[in-house]
Amino acid sequence: QVQLVQSGGEVKKPGASVKISCKASGYSFSQYGLTWVRQAPGQGLEWMGWISGYNDNTNYAQSLQGRVTMTKDTSTDTAYMELRSLRSDDTAIYFCARSLLYYFDSWGQGTLITVSS
Amino acid sequence: YILTQPPSVSVAPGQTARITCGANNIGSKSVYWYQRRPGQAPVLLIHHDSARPSGIPERFSGSNSGNTATVTISRVEAADEADYYCQVWDSNNDHPVFGGGTKVTVL
Repeated sequence: QVQLVQSGGEVKKPGASVKISCKASGYSFSQYGLTWVRQAPGQGLEWMGWISGYNDNTNYAQSLQGRVTMTKDTSTDTAYMELRSLRSDDTAIYFCARSLLYYFDSWGQGTLITVSS
Repeated sequence: YILTQPPSVSVAPGQTARITCGANNIGSKSVYWYQRRPGQAPVLLIHHDSARPSGIPERFSGSNSGNTATVTISRVEAADEADYYCQVWDSNNDHPVFGGGTKVTVL
């Protein structure tokens, strides 16, 4: 079955960077894109961006342009999301999700990133 | 493109819960619904307005017309207590948009 397993939670200081991994299994990694979504405490779901499973095409949320980079390693079927210049309002649970063109059918378990001095 | 959901819905066990997602002419788009139980990852509940992925009980159904999409939970159970999010694809900006979420409380 499709499984997305994310790296563990981290605590970061403001201004630092974080890189979260999302290891896929149970399907052909290159056939599907991966989307990243986050949820801040008490807030709704926020789309962060997408990376193609086939090539290196990406599409990032305008609000995160310049601070986020999504990459992947097809040799290990793992996607990565790096967020730089962290601020307190980046404190959130971060999810990766398999993309079926316009929606998301399988999600990782989530990674809690806490930004605090 | 903004999707509007009621912040909360309360329902007694065995009754029916209806969660709405409103937007201008949403009936012209495909709507997707996700369930997020506390401490768990979101789960795809409904795709393309009314289709259920395998494993989703028939108690969950979806509809979409005009300016409102709706997910209906029949014979509500305690396990249905969760946050529910609608989502569409904003083709003008080439990215998904989520509703603000509705917290379903089972009384």
